[in-house]
Amino acid sequence: DTEVTQTPKHLVMGMTNKKSLKCEQHMGHRAMYWYKQKAKKPPELMFVYSYEKLSINESVPSRFSPECPNSSLLNLHLHALQPEDSALYLCASSQDRMAGYSYNEQFFGPGTRLTVL
Amino acid sequence: LAKTTQPISMDSYEGQEVNITCSHNNIATNDYITWYQQFPSQGPRFIIQGYKTKVTNEVASLFIPADRKSSTLSLPRVSLSDTAVYYCLVGDLYNQGGKLIFGQGTELSVKP
Repeated sequence: DTEVTQTPKHLVMGMTNKKSLKCEQHMGHRAMYWYKQKAKKPPELMFVYSYEKLSINESVPSRFSPECPNSSLLNLHLHALQPEDSALYLCASSQDRMAGYSYNEQFFGPGTRLTVL
Repeated sequence: LAKTTQPISMDSYEGQEVNITCSHNNIATNDYITWYQQFPSQGPRFIIQGYKTKVTNEVASLFIPADRKSSTLSLPRVSLSDTAVYYCLVGDLYNQGGKLIFGQGTELSVKP
């Protein structure tokens, strides 16, 4: 299984709502990532989890709260978002950094299209 | 982290070879050069990676000169389905703690 799945595919939420995005992979990857992508722009890194611990937070506002309950699952909890947070949210995973070689291949999910009203 | 520069857009016709060049003047010794492809409303997909000289796989070739300050992604005989955005990334996922930065990308349009 070489697939990263993301749910939901689309999400519309109000600024006072609380919602969560879910990402799952069963490739045994121990690094998982959240990216945000606005239209016609490249993906921007938000968070990196390595061995289920948060290793990078790219100064993301606290209204975005990541969680890694186990090695296969990554969540992004959303609360009190702003309309400018509307974007495609991408999850990715990559091989174990202890594999003995540098390898920049990340496997991306299809994304969740988020609209904040 | 090395900064990359690519053309914003390119046009081609079906059956032609397409070469997309990426400039990365401040590439570090440990950095690898990686290319991703992204279709609209999908996640990026890894295409090819190299460190120096030439790498070829079933999808593309990657040419890297000796000074490694640039690289060229070559797509042989493109089809309409190759219309996508192509990103050049320079870095080392593990030595940078899991951080890879996407550049602005090249929007390739293949016409019939």
